[in-house]
Amino acid sequence: ETGVTQTPRHLVMGMTNKKSLKCEQHLGHNAMYWYKQSAKKPLELMFVYSLEERVENNSVPSRFSPECPNSSHLFLHLHTLQPEDSALYLCASSQDSGSLGEQFFGPGTRLTVL
Amino acid sequence: AQKVTQAQTEISVVEKEDVTLDCVYETRDTTYYLFWYKQPPSGELVFLIRRNSFDEQNEISGRYSWNFQKSTSSFNFTITASQVVDSAVYFCALSERVYSGGGADGLTFGKGTHLIIQP
Repeated sequence: ETGVTQTPRHLVMGMTNKKSLKCEQHLGHNAMYWYKQSAKKPLELMFVYSLEERVENNSVPSRFSPECPNSSHLFLHLHTLQPEDSALYLCASSQDSGSLGEQFFGPGTRLTVL
Repeated sequence: AQKVTQAQTEISVVEKEDVTLDCVYETRDTTYYLFWYKQPPSGELVFLIRRNSFDEQNEISGRYSWNFQKSTSSFNFTITASQVVDSAVYFCALSERVYSGGGADGLTFGKGTHLIIQP
């Protein structure tokens, strides 16, 4: 596979469930990102990882827990979510030079919290 | 704080018409990068262009062109002779911090403009 892939593409979960979103990039990049896209709102940056270390956390609630085991994989662990967390979650990657490089996005995971 | 405004929530035109998508940004930094992304119904964001704050030259790529004006803090996007396949949500984005020797930064996005091209 090429580019940035995300699984699952769709996820429905209850508020008491625990689930994980997975992102994998095949571009040899060193930086990875999680974004949240809610209806009628701008994309919101959630987490930034560079060389497997978290470099930014935009005040995201602790019910979202990221994990970056290596430069190619990024996870978002979810637990005790709220209905307002329903959104499209997008993963992206870029070369490790800050904003010099474009970010490549995956297709997203459409999350619905019941 | 940085901010990106796309005042046009939705634009609908007939195929073959030209259309311009507006983007206005706010930043205190003198070094920054501006981007346009396209999001088709499939959901995946597709990179269109990156422009750094020191390069005000307009750019043309096929039917796409971009007009960057620092004096008005605008980075507008024009599609000439629009086609149905251009229908999508278009996002303008800004990245303010630049790291050297490593580090990464996220993008600040506008709310997007939903472009509808009618046949």
